[in-house]
Amino acid sequence: QQQVKQSPQSLIVQKGGIPIINCAYENTAFDYFPWYQQFPGKGPALLIAIRPDVSEKKEGRFTISFNKSAKQFSLHIMDSQPGDSATYFCAASIQGTYKYIFGTGTRLKVLA
Amino acid sequence: NAGVTQTPKFQVLKTGQSMTLQCAQDMNHEYMSWYRQDPGMGLRLIHYSVGAGITDQGEVPNGYNVSRSTTEDFPLRLLSAAPSQTSVYFCASSYRVAGAVDTQYFGPGTRLTVL
Repeated sequence: QQQVKQSPQSLIVQKGGIPIINCAYENTAFDYFPWYQQFPGKGPALLIAIRPDVSEKKEGRFTISFNKSAKQFSLHIMDSQPGDSATYFCAASIQGTYKYIFGTGTRLKVLA
Repeated sequence: NAGVTQTPKFQVLKTGQSMTLQCAQDMNHEYMSWYRQDPGMGLRLIHYSVGAGITDQGEVPNGYNVSRSTTEDFPLRLLSAAPSQTSVYFCASSYRVAGAVDTQYFGPGTRLTVL
């Protein structure tokens, strides 16, 4: 019940494409869903986050879609660029507990 | 601000040796955490702290000890290293602002190999 399932494992898109990464959770107590971006040899960095009281959040080219009834959320990257090539992790937590459960990661490659 | 710093960057140990991974932050964050990252498994929480003198276990605490005597430092101790502890270790710190998202800042990581 504590798992966060992330798919796909890897993704290759052309420049300008819209990669979509999906995550699903089971614990209905989760109320905070961040996405992290990680470049090789670096620590993860917070990209965007959402709470379940909204169905969508946009920050620049990054959008989170959230479906509370299905217990799923996804990351969309609009107009993807080669510089977006990185590993993306979804995560879930109960806000205020600081105990995060991470997905297994998606390695994205954007071709020039 | 240096942010979250970790030392060493790389370490090789023999089975049974002990060592301490250092983590420090200069942002006055209350919350600090240790994760390990293994291929295909994402990041898994080892231990975390909600303030000086307060620590708790995460998903995979066995074989690791932590303490938090100051706000700035959160060292992770491997008591008797095992090959299964070969991993990349990340330290993170967090703060809360009313009405804003929780933001977790990660350090650059320590790559540990246990032979």
